[in-house]
Amino acid sequence: AQKVTQAQTEISVVEKEDVTLDCVYETRDTTYYLFWYKQPPSGELVFLIRRNSFDEQNEISGRYSWNFQKSTSSFNFTITASQVVDSAVYFCALSGKSRDDKIIFGKGTRLHILP
Amino acid sequence: EAQVTQNPRYLITVTGKKLTVTCSQNMNHEYMSWYRQDPGLGLRQIYYSMNVEVTDKGDVPEGYKVSRKEKRNFPLILESPSPNQTSLYFCASSAQTSGASYEQYFGPGTRLTVT
Repeated sequence: AQKVTQAQTEISVVEKEDVTLDCVYETRDTTYYLFWYKQPPSGELVFLIRRNSFDEQNEISGRYSWNFQKSTSSFNFTITASQVVDSAVYFCALSGKSRDDKIIFGKGTRLHILP
Repeated sequence: EAQVTQNPRYLITVTGKKLTVTCSQNMNHEYMSWYRQDPGLGLRQIYYSMNVEVTDKGDVPEGYKVSRKEKRNFPLILESPSPNQTSLYFCASSAQTSGASYEQYFGPGTRLTVT
């Protein structure tokens, strides 16, 4: 069975601090895809990153970075020098062949960046 | 402008009164999907469609119907809504037939209340 766990329900940090959002997944697939989406207070869902299971390179995009580790089944997301605009709910998601064309989302982590 | 639109954005209805939430995308995407978002449960996939006339159940299809007669439209139908279907609904689309494995573009959401 596939599963995505975001153990941190809610996190608060002061602006300019670094923060890491954890994502742990379970799957029996050898080929699978991991995602992060952002949902700001306005409510829309915004795609951040997609990673396939064969690409374990970490990725950096500005203040955002992602650490994919198959050995620990984790796909963590770090925001460096956080800003108030980073306040949002962040979802990690997983898809894979064993679930046909379905995707499963974690329950989300609500991030508060305090000024 | 490339977008996914949903209508209505807000709807309050009564138990048993059939309703349809429309979803339309102008990106010529193959894959479309419906999700519901509930507090503490994250996003859960209701139905998805990999192409015209091809639809499949997601993880929580009970009480919902969909159709895909045209590529651009993917309406969500609640034949007999119940209070447990009160939720925030999102439609999404993806350029790839295997849309769950690729970036999805989300609509703005429809907040449904069933009394």
